Amino acid sequence: GQQVMQIPQYQHVQEGEDFTTYCNSSTTLSNIQWYKQRPGGHPVFLIQLVKSGEVKKQKRLTFQFGEAKKNSSLHITATQTTDVGTYFCAALFFNKFYFGSGTKLNVKP
Amino acid sequence: GAVVSQHPSWVICKSGTSVKIECRSLDFQATTMFWYRQFPKQSLMLMATSNEGSKATYEQGVEKDKFLINHASLTLSTLTVTSAHPEDSSFYICSASHGASGANVLTFGAGSRLTVL
Repeated sequence: GQQVMQIPQYQHVQEGEDFTTYCNSSTTLSNIQWYKQRPGGHPVFLIQLVKSGEVKKQKRLTFQFGEAKKNSSLHITATQTTDVGTYFCAALFFNKFYFGSGTKLNVKP
Repeated sequence: GAVVSQHPSWVICKSGTSVKIECRSLDFQATTMFWYRQFPKQSLMLMATSNEGSKATYEQGVEKDKFLINHASLTLSTLTVTSAHPEDSSFYICSASHGASGANVLTFGAGSRLTVL
């Protein structure tokens, strides 16, 4: 299947520190989406990026789509314990959604 | 907002039996639903695309005779794990795509945790 690489696999931060996860594809993407999965839960849609170089913000979360539309990042400023979970990027290939490997974020209070 | 209901949320079965998992879109019609499998601490692996009124499309390496998918209506897709074995134990999640707010967004069911003894 199509591959979307995501790093890092795990990230442990102290509450208040920043966090970033990166997603890369070898092919140009029409769009990229980000999802969050809390422990024991199911993925929940966060945002979709469509335009080259697009930057979107949701409170402390900043999402960016690369100029070449092959990579994307999610940055969380001043993490809180409520940010704990696994963050996935997802890309649409031939009308199917393929997910990155995910980055598990643990926030120590 | 769009809601997808999936059940059962967990099921334990004996090896050799079959298990059916249902996925329903509650407030929208879903011509396409996606079935994912998630192993512990791993990502979501797309198993198949369920198409209303036609055969499902399976990803490479997924046995279509083992994982039977039926999408009989615009609001219901089912996944049947046939002759289940311990290696089929996993977290199965369905999702449906909808175009609310202009984006082609996936809404997930709560998932079904299957344990095969």
